[in-house]
Amino acid sequence: QLQLQESGPGLVKPSETLSLTCTVSGGSISRSNYYWGWIRQPPGKGLEWIGSIYYGGSTYYNPSLKSRVAVSVDTSKNQFSLKLSSVTAADTAVYYCGTHFWSGYPNHFDYWGQGTLVTVSS
Amino acid sequence: QSVLTQPPSVSGAPGQRVTISCTGSSSNIGAGYDVHWYQQLPGAAPKLLIYGNTNRPSGVPDRFSASKSGTSASLAITGLQAEDEADYYCQSYDSSLSGSVFGGGTKLTVL
Repeated sequence: QLQLQESGPGLVKPSETLSLTCTVSGGSISRSNYYWGWIRQPPGKGLEWIGSIYYGGSTYYNPSLKSRVAVSVDTSKNQFSLKLSSVTAADTAVYYCGTHFWSGYPNHFDYWGQGTLVTVSS
Repeated sequence: QSVLTQPPSVSGAPGQRVTISCTGSSSNIGAGYDVHWYQQLPGAAPKLLIYGNTNRPSGVPDRFSASKSGTSASLAITGLQAEDEADYYCQSYDSSLSGSVFGGGTKLTVL
């Protein structure tokens, strides 16, 4: 059974860079046809997909966040990471990592991490 | 404003049937891209409920079913139980945005 766990600072100052890592256990991050992604949920609001990466390094991002987002993968550690730059209070959210099937386009997220709350505040 | 539109809330009494709609456009659901549904219990991560428009993952009760037609999709829950009280989200792919999109979520209240 695949398990994902987010880790990183729970508090980030405005204008700084938010950095999170997702550690995958119970399976390999190098699974064919599956992407690894980040989703966020502001308090009391809905889900927003941020970006995804394939173990080979291919990435695609939400156009509304693309200028500030970078997702990377470390297959040796079975981890992938998120960096979101120039954060503001609007970036305060629970950040989830997950994995989704790819069939020429992204499909459902079948495994999710438990989520980690990141607050942007000075 | 979400790309996929869901009603903010629905409610029903135990044992009843409720449906949750998810309305998209010609660049997502209407283009033939699959719709998926998630259940999010209070304080928990979303859980995959339906994938590929109509398929239930192992362990999801058959009280949950879904359909898709044109630019819309629908989730149905029959034999409503107190434990079904949660937020429900639809998800698809949007070719104009070149990415995954979620509905705004629907809060189900079991009366």
